[in-house]
Amino acid sequence: KQEVTQIPAALSVPEGENLVLNCSFTDSAIYNLQWFRQDPGKGLTSLLLIQSSQREQTSGRLNASLDKSSGRSTLYIAASQPGDSATYLCAVGLLDSGYALNFGKGTSLLVTP
Amino acid sequence: DAGVIQSPRHEVTEMGQEVTLRCKPISGHDYLFWYRQTMMRGLELLIYFNNNVPIDDSGMPEDRFSAKMPNASFSTLKIQPSEPRDSAVYFCASSPSNGEQFFGPGTRLTVL
Repeated sequence: KQEVTQIPAALSVPEGENLVLNCSFTDSAIYNLQWFRQDPGKGLTSLLLIQSSQREQTSGRLNASLDKSSGRSTLYIAASQPGDSATYLCAVGLLDSGYALNFGKGTSLLVTP
Repeated sequence: DAGVIQSPRHEVTEMGQEVTLRCKPISGHDYLFWYRQTMMRGLELLIYFNNNVPIDDSGMPEDRFSAKMPNASFSTLKIQPSEPRDSAVYFCASSPSNGEQFFGPGTRLTVL
């Protein structure tokens, strides 16, 4: 069974800092990896999707990388803002699961003004 | 597009009652997923459909849970009878063939 781990579980940074969120997974036979954002009491918002053949994806201040061989992905947030405060979830799709996602427990991010 | 639509947004019911959660996926998406989120276990897949056909229901916790997708624009998740341990947030998500999943706002279920 795919295990997805996110470190750290919680993170607090001052506004303007660059930060990195980590995700590791145990089974390298993945189809894709997706990063989500979840605000309290809300649904999940897709941030970035990385297909297994890709190494990274970028959207605005966000950059996600994927290293299948080591079972790792990182989400880089540049110039953090208080509006970035949320829980960030990493999810891995397995080749043999029809795109169903295995989720990590998330990193709770607080960006202070 | 309005995104994935779920109803109701909140449901409070008593143990033993039947609960039906509803989902309208994004038009044109081939895949539909039902997930459950709890503090203890995080997000877990319950069941998913491809072109309205159930593919994997191994995540459905018990026979009390059932899901249907009668057409490409509608799916239901039913719990009968409901129990307090079913209290959670239930999410529906849909996906096109590239695998990117889009989630609905969720249904917060409380079983008293």
